[in-house]
Amino acid sequence: GAGVSQSPSNKVTEKGKDVELRCDPISGHTALYWYRQSLGQGLEFLIYFQGNSAPDKSGLPSDRFSAERTGGSVSTLTIQRTQQEDSAVYLCASSLFLGGTEAFFGQGTRLTVV
Amino acid sequence: QQQVKQSPQSLIVQKGGISIINCAYENTAFDYFPWYQQFPGKGPALLIAIRPDVSEKKEGRFTISFNKSAKQFSLHIMDSQPGDSATYFCAAKGNDKIIFGKGTRLHILP
Repeated sequence: GAGVSQSPSNKVTEKGKDVELRCDPISGHTALYWYRQSLGQGLEFLIYFQGNSAPDKSGLPSDRFSAERTGGSVSTLTIQRTQQEDSAVYLCASSLFLGGTEAFFGQGTRLTVV
Repeated sequence: QQQVKQSPQSLIVQKGGISIINCAYENTAFDYFPWYQQFPGKGPALLIAIRPDVSEKKEGRFTISFNKSAKQFSLHIMDSQPGDSATYFCAAKGNDKIIFGKGTRLHILP
């Protein structure tokens, strides 16, 4: 596709349910990043992938959060047993390679946990 | 520990004025400093960026000033326009991560 695509754009879920957020990076981009943006806050780094590998998972807030990437393309961020504090916009970005200077962002998935 | 500190949190500027947003970093391993612009409902988009071996970079009305010894950098928007109203994020890249500041909500008065 022409840009980074994220789905769904909006997700409302009940507390305790699991959710899966999807990111389709720009074709050919090997590096992929996940960020969380809470109201009035900056972009909190969660995890990055080089290919299918995630060298640093230290940004994930808790063990309820996990992410994977398959085929060096699509990535999914899974949040298990969602809590109200998980409500935020989850942004995905990709760049041509890991040291690449420009990261292109998707429009994000707005997650609301009720 | 926040590695990139951004100020102010919000800024109101008259049309035609100069908007100035400041950032400071701690990690000397950072090697690339981009600024991103975000409109409501959209993802951030790269606006302008600088490397630490350059003290200033200008693109149109947007200028980054970089002070390596002070570990500070700033964004100047000249002749600010209502269409510049958005949230601006400074960032620093190093060790394969891009770390963002908390953002500045800029409002340009018509």
